Parts: sequence; C-alpha cells; structure tokens
Amino acid sequence: GEDVEQSLFLSVREGDSSVINCTYTDSSSTYLYWYKQEPGAGLQLLTYIFSNMDMKQDQRLTVLLNKKDKHLSLRIADTQTGDSAIYFCAEGDTGRRALTFGSGTRLQVQP
Amino acid sequence: EAQVTQNPRYLITVTGKKLTVTCSQNMNHEYMSWYRQDPGLGLRQIYYSMNVEVTDKGDVPEGYKVSRKEKRNFPLILESPSPNQTSLYFCASSLAPSYEQYFGPGTRLTVT
Repeated sequence: GEDVEQSLFLSVREGDSSVINCTYTDSSSTYLYWYKQEPGAGLQLLTYIFSNMDMKQDQRLTVLLNKKDKHLSLRIADTQTGDSAIYFCAEGDTGRRALTFGSGTRLQVQP
Repeated sequence: EAQVTQNPRYLITVTGKKLTVTCSQNMNHEYMSWYRQDPGLGLRQIYYSMNVEVTDKGDVPEGYKVSRKEKRNFPLILESPSPNQTSLYFCASSLAPSYEQYFGPGTRLTVT
C-alpha cells in the first residue's frame, strides 16, 4: 500500500532556511500536500503541488518534487520562531479513499 | 467563515462509559473523515464517509462507530471506551478524498 516517510525532528536557528523532506512509495500520487500543525491546533494546509509540476514557490515556501525518486521537500526561507510546529506531508490520488499522511516532522526554531 | 467544528475539545472519561464526539462542517463537503493522532504514528484514519448514509472503515476502526444522517454532521461514537483509545482526534472534510482536507481543532480524549 501507500507509505509516506518523514524524519521526526529538525532544529534550525532563526533566520536560517529549513528543509523538511518526505518520501512516498506510490508512483501514481497526483496530489501532494504540506500541512502545518501548531501546538493545540488542527492541521492547516500550507501548500500543495500536483504531480505534473517540479517546483512551486509561495512567498517564503518552496516545494520541490522529484518524481523519479518519489521525494518531496518543503523549504522555508528566513525561518522564524512562529514557524515552530509539526509539518505533515500527505499524498493522494483520484479513486483512493483517503490521503496518506507521514508521521510529521517537528521543526524547532532556536532564537 | 468556512470551518470544521468539533465538540468537546477536551474530555476525560472512564472505561466503558459511552461517549460521542460531534463534528460539523459548513462547506457543503461530501467527504468527511475521522483520524486519531498518536505520538510517532502520525494520523491514522478511523472511519470516512463519501456522502450521506455512506460510511466505511479506515485503518483503525475497532472500537468506534460513526453515522452520517446529514451532510454537515459526522459524529464519532465510542460505545465502550478503553484506555487504548486515549488520543487526539481530528475530524476533517473535503470535496473528495484526495482533495485538500479541512481539519477541525481536535478533541483530546483521556480514558482512565
């Protein structure tokens, strides 16, 4: 079945760039998402990319997709303390019953 | 404002005492889903619903029930809660299963 893997923890200094990585197993994945979960809150969609794209940029966020290696990354430029959260990668395809989520990467931003 | 609401946000209960967690969405979404979140395990789907009166099991359905009598509501029922159901629960809705999911704020359940 589908599987999505992420590293559990990332620590960066304020002002540096953060790169959160995700690998998935299903080559038919059409929709790939990044969600952010702040303490005590639900998941909120940060950004998404379709499988026919290689890159998407949205202000401080850059998503890179390597379909050959089934690798997705989220780069946050000029990371701020407010970016401290858990980031989930998720993938899906038409006809599936649900998105498949990774276990989340906890980003800690040191002042 | 488009949103998914859940109630209660926090619940402490005892083993065997039936409880219901409500979920409601105001976006006219057909697809709704329940997840539980446990440390190191990410989000695991409990049940989902493609439309009114259409529900099906997710990855971890044991010990849970759901119903979908109206499009906006999708309650999660624990008939006889046990301590291994202590978790953080999220309801979500979307236009379709693989489209952007809108999440509720979560319900933290503790079963003693």
